[in-house]
Amino acid sequence: KAGVTQTPRYLIKTRGQQVTLSCSPISGHRSVSWYQQTPGQGLQFLFEYFSETQRNKGNFPGRFSGRQFSNSRSEMNVSTLELGDSALYLCASSLVQGFLIETQYFGPGTRLLVL
Amino acid sequence: AQTVTQSQPEMSVQEAETVTLSCTYDTSESDYYLFWYKQPPSRQMILVIRQEAYKQQNATENRFSVNFQKAAKSFSLKISDSQLGDAAMYFCAYRSYSGGGADGLTFGKGTHLIIQP
Repeated sequence: KAGVTQTPRYLIKTRGQQVTLSCSPISGHRSVSWYQQTPGQGLQFLFEYFSETQRNKGNFPGRFSGRQFSNSRSEMNVSTLELGDSALYLCASSLVQGFLIETQYFGPGTRLLVL
Repeated sequence: AQTVTQSQPEMSVQEAETVTLSCTYDTSESDYYLFWYKQPPSRQMILVIRQEAYKQQNATENRFSVNFQKAAKSFSLKISDSQLGDAAMYFCAYRSYSGGGADGLTFGKGTHLIIQP
């Protein structure tokens, strides 16, 4: 099976712009989660999607949003970019048993640099 | 809120030797998962091992094993016969059962493991 794929892998934007990142989960995985990794804050949970519904969101401002499509692919959007949004954005997918998420498998990440 | 603490920012071990990475966590819940993930320089996060809290038996995956002490809220990772390819950042992570696990993983700050040839 192909792993989790994320596009693009690298991105450079300027302050005030917006950006959309994409994640394709492992085939059959219906849950997709997003994480932000920075040197200062470490790994932080952004949000989780299952069956096109956001089930939970971490402590991030409303500039961070996402969605999930019927094929389980997910996108996250960051509007009005700030310098502090520079980070590695990781997507993880997992099977769901009932409503319980199983082990999460990560993609290679998208490295975003905001200038 | 749950917290995960990795008290060793960096560890160094000789190739072929054994090393143990420490992790403690704080939670008021009784049902949860614990994980160790490895992140090599490529930044790809790779699952090393997983432990369900209700299981008393410690998980093992080849050269990797854990020492899970639920009462002490401790979850250490032992790597036997260390290999150069084991060099990476290792993250301990916690996930609750509640809400179906939709709260996401809570990660520690990581331990940088250096393998000396």
